[in-house]
Amino acid sequence: DAMVIQNPRYQVTQFGKPVTLSCSQTLNHNVMYWYQQKSSQAPKLLFHYYDKDFNNEADTPDNFQSRRPNTSFCFLDIRSPGLGDAAMYLCATSRGTGQGSTDTQYFGPGTRLTVL
Amino acid sequence: AQSVTQLDSQVPVFEEAPVELRCNYSSSVSVYLFWYVQYPNQGLQLLLKYLSGSTLVKGINGFEAEFNKSQTSFHLRKPSVHISDTAEYFCAVSLRSNDYKLSFGAGTTVTVRA
Repeated sequence: DAMVIQNPRYQVTQFGKPVTLSCSQTLNHNVMYWYQQKSSQAPKLLFHYYDKDFNNEADTPDNFQSRRPNTSFCFLDIRSPGLGDAAMYLCATSRGTGQGSTDTQYFGPGTRLTVL
Repeated sequence: AQSVTQLDSQVPVFEEAPVELRCNYSSSVSVYLFWYVQYPNQGLQLLLKYLSGSTLVKGINGFEAEFNKSQTSFHLRKPSVHISDTAEYFCAVSLRSNDYKLSFGAGTTVTVRA
């Protein structure tokens, strides 16, 4: 089945130690997204890629970076994780072939990040 | 900027009873509206979306939602729930522009009991 895969499902890191979360997709979608979801809160968009074009949300901290080396893979890098960065990180994709705001987004299962 | 308010954070319901999850939005421009569901240990998946046309939208698993422009609402309903409907439900909006941003509500946890 075509899908969005996130690895690892659970990640533990130390305060200030860089960490990378990965996402891959077999849907061949143009758009890939990263969301941060804290407990009992709405998923919050951090950034998205349309193909290789990177789009950062205005309020995403500089501590968060992303890379998309090819269509299938996208990475979230947290350069110096703080305790406040502990959250579920969701990757999603969408086709991006029409009007973007009507697109269905397809989500991976998420990576739960713990910062010690 | 647009925002979404889900009025109930937790909704307990008995099996085979009806359920309604309330969603209100605010936006200065027209929006598209979505409901996503997140089952335990899974990613979000689309239940239904309103783009245009009939204000009553039918989705998967027997869910439907009604767009009410005057009340800026998009409430989700199911006439008879199953244990398997236990999940978290998210309402979301996007602006009617070529913009890829979805703004989500905080979610409603539905717990179905036998």
